[in-house]
Amino acid sequence: EAGVAQSPRYKIIEKRQSVAFWCNPISGHATLYWYQQILGQGPKLLIQFQNNGVVDDSQLPKDRFSAERLKGVDSTLKIQPAKLEDSAVYLCASSLGTDAALGNTIYFGEGSWLTVV
Amino acid sequence: LAKTTQPISMDSYEGQEVNITCSHNNIATNDYITWYQQFPSQGPRFIIQGYKTKVTNEVASLFIPADRKSSTLSLPRVSLSDTAVYYCLVALRGAGSYQLTFGKGTKLSVIP
Repeated sequence: EAGVAQSPRYKIIEKRQSVAFWCNPISGHATLYWYQQILGQGPKLLIQFQNNGVVDDSQLPKDRFSAERLKGVDSTLKIQPAKLEDSAVYLCASSLGTDAALGNTIYFGEGSWLTVV
Repeated sequence: LAKTTQPISMDSYEGQEVNITCSHNNIATNDYITWYQQFPSQGPRFIIQGYKTKVTNEVASLFIPADRKSSTLSLPRVSLSDTAVYYCLVALRGAGSYQLTFGKGTKLSVIP
């Protein structure tokens, strides 16, 4: 079974530029997550989709971050304009069911590493 | 919303059993606790999950006391390849909602 696919793997941009990350979840998984992981910290949830609807985006900096999941499959996370503090790994994850709290395991991709200079 | 607490780091010799505890309050009766392993430059990898008493799989055991205010990941007979950061993930509930929250992670170093 193929895992969660993400691209690009690495990206270096200057501050105030824009960047987009793409994610393809495990086939059939209804729920898709974007996490931000700053070096030395645990992942922090940015946004959670159930099919193509947003379940939780309370920690997404909406002035500069946006995400969409058209057709309920692939997703794109965009940052515009980027700041130095956005340097992090952006992890996409997916789960079969809709309630990870009740045992629907979340599976992660390898992440997209962003460096803002 | 409450937070989770894990030891920042642990050292162990090869062949020993390692127990890593995650403290968490305010989790609901049926909520699961999940543990992940993360190597440098990789995404977190699922290890084990459960919601009560004890769960065991081919790589680890998970112990959850009756009060569910903590959970302990047990790795039997660790090897050098177990050197990684280990995270617990729980749903921390507030008024009418919850957030899936990772601990800050425990960096396990296995020594030959």
